[in-house]
Amino acid sequence: DGGITQSPKYLFRKEGQNVTLSCEQNLNHDAMYWYRQDPGQGLRLIYYSQIVNDFQKGDIAEGYSVSREKKESFPLTVTSAQKNPTAFYLCASSPARGGNTIYFGEGSWLTVV
Amino acid sequence: QKEVEQNSGPLSVPEGAIASLNCTYSDRGSQSFFWYRQYSGKSPELIMFIYSNGDKEDGRFTAQLNKASQYVSLLIRDSQPSDSATYLCAVNIDFGNEKLTFGTGTRLTIIP
Repeated sequence: DGGITQSPKYLFRKEGQNVTLSCEQNLNHDAMYWYRQDPGQGLRLIYYSQIVNDFQKGDIAEGYSVSREKKESFPLTVTSAQKNPTAFYLCASSPARGGNTIYFGEGSWLTVV
Repeated sequence: QKEVEQNSGPLSVPEGAIASLNCTYSDRGSQSFFWYRQYSGKSPELIMFIYSNGDKEDGRFTAQLNKASQYVSLLIRDSQPSDSATYLCAVNIDFGNEKLTFGTGTRLTIIP
């Protein structure tokens, strides 16, 4: 089946630890995105990538890092510098540039304990 | 002023009636507009997109765009309990890439 796969679905992290969220797509989409969702705040863009080996910061990139070594993969690392990491993280992808629709994976819930 | 604004609700609509969801945006250069539905604890799923002024219909859903008023709406006809969800409006403010800016969403409840 074609789609966007995020893992893990649920993750608990101790304060001070880095954690990496996986995102893989087999849709042959060029662009990939990471959004964060907190209650009542909608979705906020963390990082996005339009092509392999290139990515740009979104609105809330501090405390996060990404890589885009392969077209189908866009992992997100939540570092210990991120002060409020507990949130719902959504990976998305879109086919090409110029107003195309983005599609979301099922999301990953990260809780800091 | 927020870039994309929605009334957070909750909006309660009787089953079978028309639900009307509204969204305003601040950037006059915005080119494309999207409506997503999000059930509690799930990821957003695309309902409709619209690029041109006027109405666009898809089944029970109609998107309406008025660029002069910087206003986009979603109408849901013959509302069903399964339509109860949060509806997110998204706007492509930076045309040339797919970086969408989302509103905070409107929570819709269909009352049987």
